[in-house]
Amino acid sequence: DAGVIQSPRHEVTEMGQEVTLRCKPISGHNSLFWYRQTMMRGLELLIYFNNNVPIDDSGMPEDRFSAKMPNASFSTLKIQPSEPRDSAVYFCASRDSNTGELFFGEGSRLTVL
Amino acid sequence: SQKIEQNSEALNIQEGKTATLTCNYTNYSPAYLQWYRQDPGRGPVFLLLIRENEKEKRKERLKVTFDTTLKQSLFHITASQPADSATYLCALDEGGSTLGRLYFGRGTQLTVWP
Repeated sequence: DAGVIQSPRHEVTEMGQEVTLRCKPISGHNSLFWYRQTMMRGLELLIYFNNNVPIDDSGMPEDRFSAKMPNASFSTLKIQPSEPRDSAVYFCASRDSNTGELFFGEGSRLTVL
Repeated sequence: SQKIEQNSEALNIQEGKTATLTCNYTNYSPAYLQWYRQDPGRGPVFLLLIRENEKEKRKERLKVTFDTTLKQSLFHITASQPADSATYLCALDEGGSTLGRLYFGRGTQLTVWP
């Protein structure tokens, strides 16, 4: 397996634009997590899914953020409209339910000007 | 409020020494605790998991302890090498299963100098 795949790796956009981040989890993993990492706040849990169903989105900062998982092999995190304070690295991770181990993607570095 | 604290933001040690990193938590009752390594520009990589009924776990030069009374985990790297330089993150669940939320500390940046 190629691991967790995220795209894009880097995105620079202007304030007010819509941003869509994509994630392909490892096949067979039933849980998927979206995290945001900044120097100030570290790794923050935004939302996680079990079997494609959102279980907890209490970490999503505000209504401008939304996440979907239409099937077991794909998830998106959308920010609309984007703001400069959304600038961060966004990580997707899938979990091996047997071991509890998280496998992270390489992250999407978002810069909102 | 719930909190995960890792001892210091940065730890510098000489090659060959043992590095000891601390993870303290409050207002959690985790069933297990995990340690991850993160290199610059990369995603975190899993190292070890220790369950609440395990006091200690080892993997090669790594050792983790878990004290649920003190609400603390210690992470040791023996015979440290410059290649061990990275940020180390502890993570814990809310308790109960491998399907729950996983929360991370801010991490400790370890530098091993020759």
